[in-house]
Amino acid sequence: DAGITQSPRHKVTETGTPVTLRCHQTENHRYMYWYRQDPGHGLRLIHYSYGVKDTDKGEVSDGYSVSRSKTEDFLLTLESATSSQTSVYFCAISEGGGPSTDTQYFGPGTRLTVL
Amino acid sequence: AQKVTQAQTEISVVEKEDVTLDCVYETRDTTYYLFWYKQPPSGELVFLIRRNSFDEQNEISGRYSWNFQKSTSSFNFTITASQVVDSAVYFCALKRGNAGNMLTFGGGTRLMVKP
Repeated sequence: DAGITQSPRHKVTETGTPVTLRCHQTENHRYMYWYRQDPGHGLRLIHYSYGVKDTDKGEVSDGYSVSRSKTEDFLLTLESATSSQTSVYFCAISEGGGPSTDTQYFGPGTRLTVL
Repeated sequence: AQKVTQAQTEISVVEKEDVTLDCVYETRDTTYYLFWYKQPPSGELVFLIRRNSFDEQNEISGRYSWNFQKSTSSFNFTITASQVVDSAVYFCALKRGNAGNMLTFGGGTRLMVKP
């Protein structure tokens, strides 16, 4: 199993509060991703990183920001949480060796509830 | 735009039955990559297989087999002699060949294998 941990694993918060989710990897992989999983939508990419301090937006980036100050850590921040951000959040990593071989491996997920 | 459709939202079978999970994709890219992931009740996402668009050979891994047909834009997954441990949500996903690392997921198929 890829060495990916997410913290916290569960969180309940209130509308309007800031929330930060952490993804930590021990694989020294170049790429890291944040997805959200909602019923009927599968997983959708929020943001991803292709190196320290290098990030880009995904399909559903509004209301989210990310930071990567170290290779092993990728943070997802909800500046002001809304009920529509209640979801399960997955972190993923990949080596980035090239599209023909690159495969994403996922962390255990964080269940976030915004009341 | 890319799209992945898993028309079967839920499938229920009895143990030892064979079952096929359908995946239909849309892309304008000539080079692309297809994936299957398994999400058991515990919630993590487990990588099963990747297939490159230029390799149409079907693949078999134990009780699992995958049928890739570019002519019908399908990448179907068959489980032979299903077991209760196969009960999970299965996701098909698509990645563009030369434009970033984003995975586009289908909505998933929940497979229930009853004893």
